[in-house]
Amino acid sequence: DSGVTQTPKHLITATGQRVTLRCSPRSGDLSVYWYQQSLDQGLQFLIQYYNGEERAKGNILERFSAQQFPDLHSELNLSSLELGDSALYFCASSVDRPPLHFGNGTRLTVT
Amino acid sequence: AQTVTQSQPEMSVQEAETVTLSCTYDTSESNYYLFWYKQPPSRQMILVIRQEAYKQQNATENRFSVNFQKAAKSFSLKISDSQLGDTAMYFCAFMKLPVGGTSYGKLTFGQGTILTVHP
Repeated sequence: DSGVTQTPKHLITATGQRVTLRCSPRSGDLSVYWYQQSLDQGLQFLIQYYNGEERAKGNILERFSAQQFPDLHSELNLSSLELGDSALYFCASSVDRPPLHFGNGTRLTVT
Repeated sequence: AQTVTQSQPEMSVQEAETVTLSCTYDTSESNYYLFWYKQPPSRQMILVIRQEAYKQQNATENRFSVNFQKAAKSFSLKISDSQLGDTAMYFCAFMKLPVGGTSYGKLTFGQGTILTVHP
């Protein structure tokens, strides 16, 4: 068990809808990262937060947004969902130095 | 930008034998970390081993060891005495060290190698 908790484990929704994925980092970890894993794109970095502030942005679509709250948990919001957004979404955390510890992921299926 | 290449989409090995997974990377950075992560069918991402680029000694974790060739930008993973539980997708990943007070950034992953261990 990595200590990183992601909810829900599975999510099935329709095109055009909006969903929120949640992540609780390991105790003491200030950095949270979001990754998307799909068959065609592999593991893609989306965004990083450190102690509530955005630190780095990757290939995150404008329809997606994230935030990190004062208690350090993070949420990834995906809106106007398309079929191509179906993927496994990982959250990872660290104390701001390697390694990153990954959660078990949220499997999103858009129908 | 950094790129990580794993040229072996799939590998297989017999139980108890040794297998080596390849990884090459491209970077202009001189200080960085390299990692191997394992993703079994349960889809968890599990850290296998890590290497700091400034260390010449190759990292070892029990049955897992790396061959780090900095000049060649190569970072292969050797699994000795393979076990059925080693069956998984293996990802090579790169992280550059922060500069000037910035925080550690993202991991850049390769496309992965599916390893199957046969009894």
